[in-house]
Amino acid sequence: DTGVSQDPRHKITKRGQNVTFRCDPISEHNRLYWYRQTLGQGPEFLTYFQNEAQLEKSRLLSDRFSAERPKGSFSTLEIQRTEQGDSAMYLCASSSDPRGDEQYFGPGTRLTVT
Amino acid sequence: EDQVTQSPEALRLQEGESSSLNCSYTVSGLRGLFWYRQDPGKGPEFLFTLYSAGEEKEKERLKATLTKKESFLHITAPKPEDSATYLCAVQAEGYQKVTFGIGTKLQVIP
Repeated sequence: DTGVSQDPRHKITKRGQNVTFRCDPISEHNRLYWYRQTLGQGPEFLTYFQNEAQLEKSRLLSDRFSAERPKGSFSTLEIQRTEQGDSAMYLCASSSDPRGDEQYFGPGTRLTVT
Repeated sequence: EDQVTQSPEALRLQEGESSSLNCSYTVSGLRGLFWYRQDPGKGPEFLFTLYSAGEEKEKERLKATLTKKESFLHITAPKPEDSATYLCAVQAEGYQKVTFGIGTKLQVIP
C-alpha cells in the first residue's frame, strides 16, 4: 500500500491556460474525492466518485472544472481557462469505508496561476 | 448550509500542558463529525469519526468528544510531535460532501 499519489506536485500556469491533474487512489478504494485548499483554510469539497460514477459535485463548482474517473481507478481533474483565483492546493482522497468516513489524502497538487 | 467553526485559530502549549480544541457546528442531520491532523505541505491525516452526542474516542494523547452542537479534541500531556493543524469536519446525512473548518494550529514547545 503506497498511499494516494498525485501528479504533478506543483504546476505553474498562465491565466487562460488549461491544466489537468491526476490522482491515483489506494488500490481497491472505490470512493474518491477531490478537494481544494487555500492558505489558512480547510479543504473545500469539489466532487465525489464511487467507482467510475461521479455521484456528487459541489454547487459552487464552476463549469470550468471537470473530473473523470474512467474504469474506476485513477481520476483526473481538469480546469479550463484558469483564473488567478484558481491558485490553490488540489487534494485527492480515497476511501474503502462503506460510509466513506476514513479518507486517505494524497500530498496534493499546488497550482499557481500567474 | 453546513458550517464548522474552530477555536482557537492558534494555540501554543508547553510540552506536557494539556488543553482542548473546540469545534462548533451546524448541519442539517449530522451523519458524522471528523477530526483530521494536517502537517505543513501534506494532506490531512484521519484521526476520528464521531456519530452521535455523548460518543468519545481516544488515540494516544488525543480524545475526541461530541455534543449536539460541538466537539472537543482534548490533548493530554502533548509532545512537540503533536504540533500540527487540527481540522474538524462534518457530513450531513445523505451526502458525501464533507465541510471542514479552518483548523486550529497547535504548536507544542519543548
